[in-house]
Amino acid sequence: EADIYQTPRYLVIGTGKKITLECSQTMGHDKMYWYQQDPGMELHLIHYSYGVNSTEKGDLSSESTVSRIRTEHFPLTLESARPSHTSQYLCASSEAGDYSGNTIYFGEGSWLTVV
Amino acid sequence: GNSVTQMEGPVTLSEEAFLTINCTYTATGYPSLFWYVQYPGEGLQLLLKATKADDKGSNKGFEATYRKETTSFHLEKGSVQVSDSAVYFCALSPNTGNQFYFGTGTSLTVIP
Repeated sequence: EADIYQTPRYLVIGTGKKITLECSQTMGHDKMYWYQQDPGMELHLIHYSYGVNSTEKGDLSSESTVSRIRTEHFPLTLESARPSHTSQYLCASSEAGDYSGNTIYFGEGSWLTVV
Repeated sequence: GNSVTQMEGPVTLSEEAFLTINCTYTATGYPSLFWYVQYPGEGLQLLLKATKADDKGSNKGFEATYRKETTSFHLEKGSVQVSDSAVYFCALSPNTGNQFYFGTGTSLTVIP
């Protein structure tokens, strides 16, 4: 059972609002990720972090930003939400270490609707 | 480079039918291979994994065998249930362990 939590699960906000999606994990994992996914569709990596004070952009360009001040916490922020940001956002984490066999664990997702 | 190609859906089966979802991969070295399942409205859950050639991962009646010679990791289940309706993702992690690569997902619907 994965211990990774996302809040809010569902959010409807107006255009131009600032929002922060929270993600916390209690497994002590160094690596954390944010994926964007439209319903039932493929995953797109938008941000990742290999540890505190480390953040990188993923394969899909995103207007969101992230921070990693504590190991267990990896929030994602949209400064000015637009309807094109409507999607599901999945947070994930995995152990560090340069070996194969690491498993990536996902939170339950945050569904964002911008109206 | 690293990539995963999986069978396109959607797949619709009757209850108790045999399931195969194909997955092939391209990777340098010896990656680990995974199957994840996503139920409606939820995140992805690990279904099974295999870390070396000829390993068989299994869970909840699902199986997949790591075939290096054919670079494949096909998911199978002998008798599907309505509760198996979900989207299934094949994934790999290279031997450096620094990244994960996901397939595009295969939607499965099981009808009574």
